[in-house]
Amino acid sequence: QLQLQESGPGLVKSSETLSLTCTVSGASVSDYYWSWIRQTPGKGLEWIGRIYPSGNTNYHPSLKSRVTISVDRSKNQFSLRLTTATAADTAVYYCARDYDFWGPWGQGVLVTVSS
Amino acid sequence: DIQMTQSPSTLSASVGDSVTITCRASQSISTWLAWYQQKPGKAPKLLIYRASDLESGVPSRFSGSGSETEFRLNISSLQPDDFATYFCQQYTSHSQYSFGQGTKLEIK
Repeated sequence: QLQLQESGPGLVKSSETLSLTCTVSGASVSDYYWSWIRQTPGKGLEWIGRIYPSGNTNYHPSLKSRVTISVDRSKNQFSLRLTTATAADTAVYYCARDYDFWGPWGQGVLVTVSS
Repeated sequence: DIQMTQSPSTLSASVGDSVTITCRASQSISTWLAWYQQKPGKAPKLLIYRASDLESGVPSRFSGSGSETEFRLNISSLQPDDFATYFCQQYTSHSQYSFGQGTKLEIK
């Protein structure tokens, strides 16, 4: 059974880099596309970006300049880095298997960006 | 950008009822539409993709229909576990996704 679990700091200082990792179990990260998605009460659900089995990526146009998604095949993980974080990046961050729609999802991690 | 509008925003119903949630796209998206269920404090769960294909393991009381700009999620014979928030999502092209604002299904 495919399962995903996000991990990383729940508190990030403004202007610093938000970093999260998604650990995949029940499948290889090399077998599927994977995405990061975030959710806020105000903006709702927002797709951040994806990584392909090849390691290629594509990102939401509005976040492209600040986002990097990478994969560590030895650990069966993929990661998110979002630079120059601001309060607007405060959200629950999810990782998910990607078919252009998403499922299953990890349980999510709340990241608060504080000044 | 394609805007997705769900209605109603809140829906009150009783166990055993059948309900319909509507999602409208601001332009044609063919059948590139998914539906998700989300409970408080939990991640969204995929219910339906390609407008009407039921995700594996999802009860058959959930069904989806529609194409182009108008879509419906039907839930028949509501069960207590079904009271949650439901989102639609369009996926017409890579990197240009959008979600509806959500419909909260609550117990009457």
